[in-house]
Amino acid sequence: DVKVTQSSRYLVKRTGEKVFLECVQDMDHENMFWYRQDPGLGLRLIYFSYDVKMKEKGDIPEGYSVSREKKERFSLILESASTNQTSMYLCASSLFSSGVETQYFGPGTRLLVL
Amino acid sequence: SQQGEEDPQALSIQEGENATMNCSYKTSINNLQWYRQNSGRGLVHLILIRSNEREKHSGRLRVTLDTSKKSSSLLITASRAADTASYFCATRTGGFKTIFGAGTRLFVKA
Repeated sequence: DVKVTQSSRYLVKRTGEKVFLECVQDMDHENMFWYRQDPGLGLRLIYFSYDVKMKEKGDIPEGYSVSREKKERFSLILESASTNQTSMYLCASSLFSSGVETQYFGPGTRLLVL
Repeated sequence: SQQGEEDPQALSIQEGENATMNCSYKTSINNLQWYRQNSGRGLVHLILIRSNEREKHSGRLRVTLDTSKKSSSLLITASRAADTASYFCATRTGGFKTIFGAGTRLFVKA
C-alpha cells in the first residue's frame, strides 16, 4: 500500500512565524502535490512537483514556497504565517500510468495561525 | 469556478438506502475519478471512469459518465453508517492538473 505521511496532524503557530510542513511518500512516485482545503472551496492546489528540485505553481501559490530535495520528500513553507493561512493542508503523491493519474493523500495537517 | 461541481452539497439518508451524488464539469476530460474523505482525514481514491466509458461498477459503487452532458453520477447502494464521508469528483483534462470539486457531504443514519 502507498503511504503518504505528514509531519503533524495539528499545528498552532503565531502570525509572522515561519512554518514548515513536511510530507513523505514511500512509493517512489514522481509527482507530489500540496493542497489546502477550506469549507465550501474544495481542494485548491498550492504547488506541485514532477521531479526532484522541480516545482510548479498551482492556483494559489502566494505566501507559500516549496522544496523537493529528495524524491520522497516534499515540503511546504509558509515564509511568514498569516491568519488567512489557517486551513487544512493535504499532501499527495501520484502515479501516472496508461493515461491515468491516481493521487494518494496523506492524513492532512490542520494549521491554526493565531 | 471549479471544473467539477458536486450536487447536492449535502445528503442525509437512512442506512440501507441508496445515495446518489452528481458531478458536472465544464471542459472535455480524459477521465473522471471519485474520491472519499472521512472527517478530518485525507482523500482516498474510489473509482475511475474513462471518457470512452459510460458505466463502471466496483462493489456497492456505480459510476456513470455522460460526456454529452458533461456530468457523472456516483451511486452507493445499500448504504452503511461507515459510508458517512465527503465525496469528491476529480477531472483531468489534457493538462497536468487534476481538479477537484467542492464535494458532497453524505451522512448515513444508523
